[in-house]
Amino acid sequence: DAGITQSPRHKVTETGTPVTLRCHQTENHRYMYWYRQDPGHGLRLIHYSYGVKDTDKGEVSDGYSVSRSKTEDFLLTLESATSSQTSVYFCAISLEDRAGELFFGEGSRLTVL
Amino acid sequence: AQSVTQLDSQVPVFEEAPVELRCNYSSSVSVYLFWYVQYPNQGLQLLLKYLSGSTLVESINGFEAEFNKSQTSFHLRKPSVHISDTAEYFCAVSDQAGTALIFGKGTTLSVSS
Repeated sequence: DAGITQSPRHKVTETGTPVTLRCHQTENHRYMYWYRQDPGHGLRLIHYSYGVKDTDKGEVSDGYSVSRSKTEDFLLTLESATSSQTSVYFCAISLEDRAGELFFGEGSRLTVL
Repeated sequence: AQSVTQLDSQVPVFEEAPVELRCNYSSSVSVYLFWYVQYPNQGLQLLLKYLSGSTLVESINGFEAEFNKSQTSFHLRKPSVHISDTAEYFCAVSDQAGTALIFGKGTTLSVSS
């Protein structure tokens, strides 16, 4: 158990509203990631972080921003949600001594109406 | 940039039959390769990984995958599947320098009696 908690687990919102998803970890891992999962697309990387205030874009970063002000929290923000952002969002962490191996949270299901 | 192709979106099989889930990746000098499994309504879990060394890697529940550099493949196999193997399987790749995984679109394995 890598101690990853995502919140909220489920959210329904309306187009144009801001949404923030939170990923919290309890073990001070350096690397954290946000993926979205959609049928037929698998998992796609949105943003990732390799330390406090160090973040970078993934393959589908448009419309999303992230922040990491503390090691344990990695926030994903949709400034103005659109229906195309309806998805399941997964946070993950990786261990520096286990290259590439990710541990995932349980996911946050977001529906944008 | 790395990419992963999972050649089958759905694989239906009968219990106790053998199965192969196919995965090809884009060529690179060196890669790390992974198979993850996702059971219904859960996050992803690591099934097995190839980092270096022996090209045949095994999981604790009977799956194996073989790294084939000449064919840029990392196919997942199991000689006899169980109902409980029903899940979605994702192949993933990262290069040696980075830590962010790139995932394929997934293969749904459905095992019936």
